[in-house]
Amino acid sequence: GQQVMQIPQYQHVQEGEDFTTYCNSSTTLSNIQWYKQRPGGHPVFLIQLVKSGEVKKQKRLTFQFGEAKKNSSLHITATQTTDVGTYFCAALTSGTYKYIFGTGTRLKVLA
Amino acid sequence: DTEVTQTPKHLVMGMTNKKSLKCEQHMGHRAMYWYKQKAKKPPELMFVYSYEKLSINESVPSRFSPECPNSSLLNLHLHALQPEDSALYLCASSQDEFSAASQLTADTQYFGPGTRLTVL
Repeated sequence: GQQVMQIPQYQHVQEGEDFTTYCNSSTTLSNIQWYKQRPGGHPVFLIQLVKSGEVKKQKRLTFQFGEAKKNSSLHITATQTTDVGTYFCAALTSGTYKYIFGTGTRLKVLA
Repeated sequence: DTEVTQTPKHLVMGMTNKKSLKCEQHMGHRAMYWYKQKAKKPPELMFVYSYEKLSINESVPSRFSPECPNSSLLNLHLHALQPEDSALYLCASSQDEFSAASQLTADTQYFGPGTRLTVL
């Protein structure tokens, strides 16, 4: 079945450093969503991308959808301890009616 | 109100028990979902209900039985579970069932806090 891979699996950064997680699909996607799950918590919706090459920003977070709509990235500028958690992408493929969650990237921020 | 509630928060059950997980939302959402999440893994879709009808069953074993009594409630009935079924069970809802032609906001999934299930 379809797989959505994220790299890296884990990332430890010093507070203030930047962080990027990449989401890759073997098939062309219709939409992609990003979620954040804090330790012990549940996924919380961050953003949805629909258009090829789309870039969206939320304060220190920048989201990008690849031109070929097969990959996406989330970049956090100047990480803070509140950014700790696991970031998941979730991908919707044309003709399907479900989002497949990526493998996730767990971020730890060291103060 | 953008809250999805789930009860109980924690559940410990034996392999011969019958129990139910409950989920409720009052956002007027027409699609509701059950996900299973093992530790350090992504959520895996189990069931999708759209307009109170089961629209997707991801080949889930029959020991898991979903029920949607009305548009606000979603239950998951558990019977004869195995220890490997221990996991976090997440309920979610969205305005509509997903499609590539949907409005941007319609696909947003609102997750409940989950029920942490342990099967002994």
